Amino acid sequence: GNSVTQMEGPVTLSEEAFLTINCTYTATGYPSLFWYVQYPGEGLQLLLKATKADDKGSNKGFEATYRKETTSFHLEKGSVQVSDSAVYFCALSPLYNQGGKLIFGQGTELSVKP
Amino acid sequence: GAGVSQSPRYKVAKRGQDVALRCDPISGHVSLFWYQQALGQGPEFLTYFQNEAQLDKSGLPSDRFFAERPEGSVSTLKIQRTQKEDSAVYLCASSFVVRLRRDNEQFFGPGTRLTVL
Repeated sequence: GNSVTQMEGPVTLSEEAFLTINCTYTATGYPSLFWYVQYPGEGLQLLLKATKADDKGSNKGFEATYRKETTSFHLEKGSVQVSDSAVYFCALSPLYNQGGKLIFGQGTELSVKP
Repeated sequence: GAGVSQSPRYKVAKRGQDVALRCDPISGHVSLFWYQQALGQGPEFLTYFQNEAQLDKSGLPSDRFFAERPEGSVSTLKIQRTQKEDSAVYLCASSFVVRLRRDNEQFFGPGTRLTVL
């Protein structure tokens, strides 16, 4: 079946540190891949996406590359800020799928200290 | 407002009660999704509507769960005879589908936190 596995949190970093949050997936064929972010007290928001192998999604300094050979979509940022503190969810939309339902990982909480 | 709204934001129910959760999607959004998010977990898909048609209800956990979207806009998720294991945050999301695609951005509401005592 389709599933997403993320590294467990919480992840605690100092401001300006490098961030990696690992995400691997299991799916048939080529799913679309997403990172959503949930800031404290807010709803989920799309951070970035990629729809085919070797695509790189990027937004707000975050990047993730769709790696089919390793079935991964790791989230990276070169220099985190306190305002990046949030819960990050990796998600996929299966290949054979009506309407684009999402299958989420369990989420990784990031805490950035000044 | 321009975003997806949900009401109530918090609901406490006694075991065995029926509850109804409302979702107002972004105006003009064709697709509407319901997800269930248990504490410390990622959202899990419940059901999907395209306009008023419920095209996928494979994620509904039991026949106590029922969703409708009669006029293709507002949707209601109803849970009958609530149980403690139904306690979760229920998220609604909508998207504007030009044609069926797997990369349409879903816009999420703030969720309804249901606690069953």
